[in-house]
This record gives sequence, structure tokens and C-alpha cells, in this order.
Amino acid sequence: QKEVEQNSGPLSVPEGAIASLNCTYSDRGSQSFFWYRQYSGKSPELIMSIYSNGDKEDGRFTAQLNKASQYVSLLIRDSQPSDSATYLCAVRGINTGTASKLTFGTGTRLQVTL
Amino acid sequence: ETGVTQSPTHLIKTRGQQVTLRCSSQSGHNTVSWYQQALGQGPQFIFQYYREEENGRGNFPPRFSGLQFPNYSSELNVNALELDDSALYLCASSPGQGIGIGNIQYFGAGTRLSVL
Repeated sequence: QKEVEQNSGPLSVPEGAIASLNCTYSDRGSQSFFWYRQYSGKSPELIMSIYSNGDKEDGRFTAQLNKASQYVSLLIRDSQPSDSATYLCAVRGINTGTASKLTFGTGTRLQVTL
Repeated sequence: ETGVTQSPTHLIKTRGQQVTLRCSSQSGHNTVSWYQQALGQGPQFIFQYYREEENGRGNFPPRFSGLQFPNYSSELNVNALELDDSALYLCASSPGQGIGIGNIQYFGAGTRLSVL
């Protein structure tokens, strides 16, 4: 079982629709959860961080966390063509020694169509 | 822009050679983490440096080594390059090495290494 799992996609949504991206993780000790956006050939850019159960909203983005189900999701409202990218779910669990490493999923490719 | 800079942006090497990649961390950050991202995959943790000491390592062989300098900039060295080392190498800086809220890792633009 992979430590962090995401559907690789592509997830295709029409412009203006809601895009829903999902992620599950295996380490119950995980404490912090992040969504990064990565455009093709570019580096990951932080979109959202979430640390406690429930929803966290920032503009058109909402992150949802359910630690009991080991599940984190990202909703993008009013999707725009500029949202077309790969979305990486990252999890930070108990320290590896003293390092606070991030464990990433393989990413979900989102395509927003006109 | 994250304030994390990496050099060079692209590099082509042949199998068996050695390579050094460089990273300057964001001002005020004392922790640098290195990741390898193969095509179509998520980034994989290589190691982390905190105040000039390696304080954690992923599942990478010893031919991957690093340094952190007093100004918190860092180098990643890879010896005896293999074809599978072809990837995007990402450096991320953070304010500290703990797991506290707010200790966010910010990524540089990466170095794309091609091994022929």
C-alpha cells in the first residue's frame, strides 16, 4: 500500500464547475496535510495546508480533512482554465529521526475545459 | 516567488559522472530539504539539513550526499550517476525542522538533470 494515494487522472471539469480532488494516507500518526499545485515543468506551489479535522477555506479553495478515515480532499470552486495543473497531496507525519519530511502522492492532473 | 533559488536550471551528464546542485534558502529559513521527482511521480524525500547537519534521510544510496553552509544554502552531490537519476531535483526551505504548524516547506524552481 502506498503511503499517500491519489487518483492520477486526468480529472476533466468544465469551466465554472467544482473540481474535487481526493487523497488517502496510511500513517495514522500524520499531523499536517498540504496541497501543492504544479504546472508542467515547474516546481510545486503551496495552495493549502490543513492540520485539524473539518474544512478550511481560502478563496476558491477548500481543504477537507477526516483523520478517522485518513482522507483529505481539495475542492476548487468556479474552476478556471488556469487551474489546469497537477495537484500534489503531501503528508507530514511523525518525524523521521528529527527530519520533518513530506510524503507526496503521485498527483492528480486536473484539466479545466472551456 | 518563494525566495528559494536553485542552480543550474538544466544539466546534462553522462553515466558515471558526478554532479553538484545548489540551493539558496529563503531569508530567515535554517532548514533545507531535497527531493527527487521522476517524470509522472510525486517528489521523493532525499534528505534534510538543519543548521549544517543532516537530520534525516530517505531511501537513497550513499552516493547521494549533501552539505549545508553557515548561510543555510545547500548543495546536493550525486556520484556515479545512473540513468535512473534523471529527474527534477527540488530544494525546499523552511523556517525550522520541526512539525509545528507554520513550518511550511517552500520549493525552488528545481534543477532538471538528464543522465545519458
